[in-house]
Amino acid sequence: AQSVTQLDSQVPVFEEAPVELRCNYSSSVSVYLFWYVQYPNQGLQLLLKYLSGSTLVESINGFEAEFNKSQTSFHLRKPSVHISDTAEYFCAVSNNQGGKLIFGQGTELSVKP
Amino acid sequence: DTGVSQNPRHKITKRGQNVTFRCDPISEHNRLYWYRQTLGQGPEFLTYFQNEAQLEKSRLLSDRFSAERPKGSFSTLEIQRTEQGDSAMYLCASSSKTGASPLHFGNGTRLTVT
Repeated sequence: AQSVTQLDSQVPVFEEAPVELRCNYSSSVSVYLFWYVQYPNQGLQLLLKYLSGSTLVESINGFEAEFNKSQTSFHLRKPSVHISDTAEYFCAVSNNQGGKLIFGQGTELSVKP
Repeated sequence: DTGVSQNPRHKITKRGQNVTFRCDPISEHNRLYWYRQTLGQGPEFLTYFQNEAQLEKSRLLSDRFSAERPKGSFSTLEIQRTEQGDSAMYLCASSSKTGASPLHFGNGTRLTVT
């Protein structure tokens, strides 16, 4: 079985500051890792995913996450955030056969001007 | 690709009533998932189908909950004898079978049990 822990429930930052949203997972098998984003009053959208290969993965809007197997982490980072990045971010894991996702509790990113 | 569609968007019901939600997945996706999300929490897995076969059910899914996907296309989730604790957002997602195809989520059905 897999589990996910997001270490921060809320992260307030100022616009143009860097941000890191932390995610740790637990699994006895190889995993796939995902970050989903939920903007206010919208559904969950895939932000980025790690399946295999390069441990650093990027999204089209400047976020990146690095898979660290030894630390069982998949932290999300952005060097300079925008007001429009304000949203709830969810880390998720599945086994490497695909199938159901197990989600963390979510981190609310609030970007202030 | 019209996305995953869920109906209704909102449902208010009285305790003890039965409710049914519908999910229409992306047409070429053969996997369909149901999740439940409460305020301040991440989505919790309830059940999933591959085509018409229900392959896994969470222990969270009590006997009052039943899901079907009769022809491998749309799915319904029924809650019988609703309780106030059933109030939540019910999310549907679909994916293709291949490997780690990401889940595509609908906007959810918000259930309020009074």
